[in-house]
Amino acid sequence: KAGVTQTPRYLIKTRGQQVTLSCSPISGHRSVSWYQQTPGQGLQFLFEYFSETQRNKGNFPGRFSGRQFSNSRSEMNVSTLELGDSALYLCASSSAGTGFSPLHFGNGTRLTVT
Amino acid sequence: DQQVKQNSPSLSVQEGRISILNCDYTNSMFDYFLWYKKYPAEGPTFLISISSIKDKNEDGRFTVFLNKSAKHLSLHIVPSQPGDSAVYFCAASETSYDKVIFGPGTSLSVIP
Repeated sequence: KAGVTQTPRYLIKTRGQQVTLSCSPISGHRSVSWYQQTPGQGLQFLFEYFSETQRNKGNFPGRFSGRQFSNSRSEMNVSTLELGDSALYLCASSSAGTGFSPLHFGNGTRLTVT
Repeated sequence: DQQVKQNSPSLSVQEGRISILNCDYTNSMFDYFLWYKKYPAEGPTFLISISSIKDKNEDGRFTVFLNKSAKHLSLHIVPSQPGDSAVYFCAASETSYDKVIFGPGTSLSVIP
C-alpha cells in the first residue's frame, strides 16, 4: 500500500507570492490533516478535511486555506507569503472509521520564503 | 497556550539502557494519547497509543504509561538501541474525530 505522498518536496518562493502544496493520502483514507513544523514549535495544526469538508481548524490566519477533492486528495494554499511562513508542511491521512485511527504522515514539503 | 508539553528538548542514553520520555498535558478532555518518532527529512511515524481508560500499553520494547490524575504520560524504551535516535513527539486528541495536538518534541540520542 502506497504511503502519503506530498509534492513538491522543496519549494522556494518570494515574499508576497502564493503557493499551493499537494497531498495524496493512503488509499481508502478519507481524512487529511495539515501541520506546520518550525524549529522549537513542534507540529502546529492547520486544518483537517474529511469527505471534502473542513472538519477541524487550527489558529492560523486566513492566508492559509485548503480543500479536499472527491478522491480524498488535498491541497493547501498560502497566499501573500511572509518570511515566517518558511517551514516544513506535513500532510497526514487517517482512515477515520469508528474508533481512533492514528495519523500517517508524508515526508513533507519544505517551503522557503525569501 | 500549549496543551501538550514536553519539557525536555533533548535526552542522551547509553545503548542497552532504558529511555524515558515524558509528556504533560493541560486539557482534561483529551481521550487519546499517541507517540510519534521522526527521523530527519522524513515525516513522523506512529509508534504507540493509549486511550484514557487504560494506564499502560505495551508494544515490544515500547511501553506508554498514563497518569490521568497528574495529566502525565511517559514513553519507556527498553533496551534502547542506536536506531532509536530520533525526535519523539507526544500527541493527544479529545475524540476520534477531533484534531490531534502535538508537543514540541524531545530529541533522543542513544550512544553506542
